Amino acid sequence: DIQMTQSPSSLSASVGDRVSITCRANQDITNYLAWFQQKPGHAPKSLIYHASTLQSGVPSKFSGSGSGTEFTLTISSLQPEDFATYYCQQYYSYPFTFGPGTKVDL
Amino acid sequence: EVQLLESGGGLVQPGGSLRVSCAASGFTFSNYGMHWVRQVPGKGLEWVSGISGSGDPTYYADSVKGRFIISRDNSKNTMYLQMNSLRAEDTALYYCARRGFFEYWGQGTLVTVSS
Repeated sequence: DIQMTQSPSSLSASVGDRVSITCRANQDITNYLAWFQQKPGHAPKSLIYHASTLQSGVPSKFSGSGSGTEFTLTISSLQPEDFATYYCQQYYSYPFTFGPGTKVDL
Repeated sequence: EVQLLESGGGLVQPGGSLRVSCAASGFTFSNYGMHWVRQVPGKGLEWVSGISGSGDPTYYADSVKGRFIISRDNSKNTMYLQMNSLRAEDTALYYCARRGFFEYWGQGTLVTVSS
């Protein structure tokens, strides 16, 4: 199985900050990488797929980069609604696997 | 508008069975692979099972292989997860999602396995 790790596991930030979250796979997954945002009591929401393609309706302050084994989610200017937990996920091969999540709080 | 609506969750005893459903609307259901993802409240996400648009092939996480069966009825725009030999560790919120990169999610249905 492909193992996914994320760093940091949590981070504290302020409104307006630029934040980056790193996701690593333990083997090459080319660009089969997705990012999700989850707020308490809600289902996850798709942000990015194919490592860098923004999901329809997602604001451009979110961006994704990377390929192979290392990927980054960047939020260019953090807003109050962005405080949440973020997960990465590989869909290169079954079983699909998620990273453990990164909690972004104030 | 794409909508996914899970149902069928509830309380079941260890060793028991339960079937959860995912009703889809707003898209041509048979054109898309579908998946089940679960989450223990307060914990991370775990992919459980997936099924192609035609219904074959199907895929399972090792943790549920041999106990869970995924299926779909394209005439009813509905996907199912038959869960047998349930264990306490299967307690979770079960989400359905579209495609391998989970572009759309339902709101989830809670399955609690407890005596």
